[in-house]
Amino acid sequence: EVQLVESGGGLVQPGGSLRLSCAASGFTLTTYWMLWVRQVPGKGLVWVSCLKSDGTTTMFADSVKGRFTISRDNAQNTLYLQMNSLRAEDTAVYYCARGGFYGSIDNWGQGTLVTVSS
Amino acid sequence: EIVLTQSPGTLSLSPGERASLSCTASQRVSGTFLAWYQQQPGQAPRLLIYGASSRATGTPDRFSGSGSGTDFTLTINRLEPEDFAVYYCQLYGDSPPWTFGQGTKVEIK
Repeated sequence: EVQLVESGGGLVQPGGSLRLSCAASGFTLTTYWMLWVRQVPGKGLVWVSCLKSDGTTTMFADSVKGRFTISRDNAQNTLYLQMNSLRAEDTAVYYCARGGFYGSIDNWGQGTLVTVSS
Repeated sequence: EIVLTQSPGTLSLSPGERASLSCTASQRVSGTFLAWYQQQPGQAPRLLIYGASSRATGTPDRFSGSGSGTDFTLTINRLEPEDFAVYYCQLYGDSPPWTFGQGTKVEIK
């Protein structure tokens, strides 16, 4: 069974940093595109970042480019999102997700809430 | 950048009725890369349809997707109580690679 379990969310001050983790089981990260998607409570879904299966390509939404990085630990089968210079507008639930057929997203974690506030 | 517009924003229906949800792209797209998701309150989204019309594993057959070009539709036949939720369409493209519509809420009338 595929499982994605996020952790690392919490309250952080503007300008601060957080690292989100996504522990994957039931499959190997090196065989799928992996994504981070965020959602402000009560609002829609927004793609944040992705990492290609072979690890060669990363992409970021314009709103986080230069502040966020995506990486993985193959041995731990864990995906990360390092978030620096956080802003109030980064406040959201962050979902770890797996790329599926034809660009769909076939598995999602339960989400972790990041709150940026002083 | 392609924009996906979903309509209506809210659909008020009774159990047993049919729901038709629209997703319109700002320019012609390939339906191969169009997906639909269901999101229940407090839960992560769940993939329903990919490739515009292929049901994902576990998607009941009362859900169907159709469309091409700029206009795509998610149809839910005979609404069940568990179908009342928010639905998102999503496109895989160039930049950004994943784009979502703003969602349609299907609520109990």
